[in-house]
Amino acid sequence: GAVVSQHPSWVICKSGTSVKIECRSLDFQATTMFWYRQFPKQSLMLMATSNEGSKATYEQGVEKDKFLINHASLTLSTLTVTSAHPEDSSFYICSARAAGGLAGELFFGEGSRLTVL
Amino acid sequence: AQRVTQPEKLLSVFKGAPVELKCNYSYSGSPELFWYVQYSRQRLQLLLRHISRESIKGFTADLNKGETSFHLKKPFAQEEDSAMYYCALSFGGATNKLIFGTGTLLAVQP
Repeated sequence: GAVVSQHPSWVICKSGTSVKIECRSLDFQATTMFWYRQFPKQSLMLMATSNEGSKATYEQGVEKDKFLINHASLTLSTLTVTSAHPEDSSFYICSARAAGGLAGELFFGEGSRLTVL
Repeated sequence: AQRVTQPEKLLSVFKGAPVELKCNYSYSGSPELFWYVQYSRQRLQLLLRHISRESIKGFTADLNKGETSFHLKKPFAQEEDSAMYYCALSFGGATNKLIFGTGTLLAVQP
């Protein structure tokens, strides 16, 4: 089956630094990737949608200058948390939709846990 | 606004008992609904989708547009069904976003 890989699985950083999380589709081309954020014991909150070669579309309330998303190729999207602060600590999950795939059929990464000290 | 509601945070049943995980949605257009499952220490994965009208691992879900519901059912729960279940709504536009309900933790007791 289709596999989506995220890296790193977990990261700890100091306040004020930037952190990059990678999301790769390993065996398929992902025309669209989605980034979610999950707080403890809560649901996944959609942050943004990225399409290969175009600017990401951010959900209301998500700061695009803080959460930079790049979808440079059909197999890679990156999320950069800029000038991270403790309130950015969370579990970030990416998902990908295969080219030609059903609208709601997404393949999920294993998630990346960010802790900002 | 589009919304998915799962009223139960936790559903605990005994093995062999019937299971119904509730899901209601709010969307003015034609909805596409899905159930995703997350087993312990695993990633989220698709369980089933309404357009396929399929049964996966004994689970079924019927879209009821009148009640705007998409409840997940299984006649006889198994211990291995214990997991977090998320109902999800895909809606239109160029990107077809997928939004999730808050999830229901199903605990099947032996």
